[in-house]
Amino acid sequence: GQNIDQPTEMTATEGAIVQINCTYQTSGFNGLFWYQQHAGEAPTFLSYNVLDGLEEKGRFSSFLSRSKGYSYLLLKELQMKDSASYLCAAMDSNYQLIWGAGTKLIIKP
Amino acid sequence: GAVVSQHPSWVICKSGTSVKIECRSLDFQATTMFWYRQFPKQSLMLMATSNEGSKATYEQGVEKDKFLINHASLTLSTLTVTSAHPEDSSFYICSAHTNRDRESYEQYFGPGTRLTVT
Repeated sequence: GQNIDQPTEMTATEGAIVQINCTYQTSGFNGLFWYQQHAGEAPTFLSYNVLDGLEEKGRFSSFLSRSKGYSYLLLKELQMKDSASYLCAAMDSNYQLIWGAGTKLIIKP
Repeated sequence: GAVVSQHPSWVICKSGTSVKIECRSLDFQATTMFWYRQFPKQSLMLMATSNEGSKATYEQGVEKDKFLINHASLTLSTLTVTSAHPEDSSFYICSAHTNRDRESYEQYFGPGTRLTVT
């Protein structure tokens, strides 16, 4: 079956770095997405990886290893506004997104 | 660019009534639109996928006669919750995808509609 695993909750300190891991198993693969979702709001796009390697975009970076079925989202210089849920989603061979349950990130001063 | 709007942003209705939620792509043509439901502290659950001009494809366990989806144009899809019940209270989110750029399959999300059925 198709499955996405990511930690339920993580806590980090303002100014620090945090890595949120995601492992996936899908029927075919057409890319891995990361979305940020604040409470009560819709998800907003952060990144898309389809090739192995690290994609850097400001304070956020996303990594993909297709052979390992693994991705991570790296957040640097954490700010209080980064407190949110981070959703990992893999696109299968039918171009359908398979969503993880999300990782709630708590930032402490 | 790539803005998706939803209307209404929140709605309260009585049990047994029907509610229509609109999803519009404002600055692009959406070949495919997706409807999600999200319960508190849970992830997104895909309800259905709709392509313009054709019938929606519903996920297993989603009643197509209860959740009517119409994708009449490349910029508008509607979700109608018929005979709503309190257990239908949820956050409904639409997203849209365009085949314009095959290198990216990003879905553009609307702001969501919070439905409360009393």
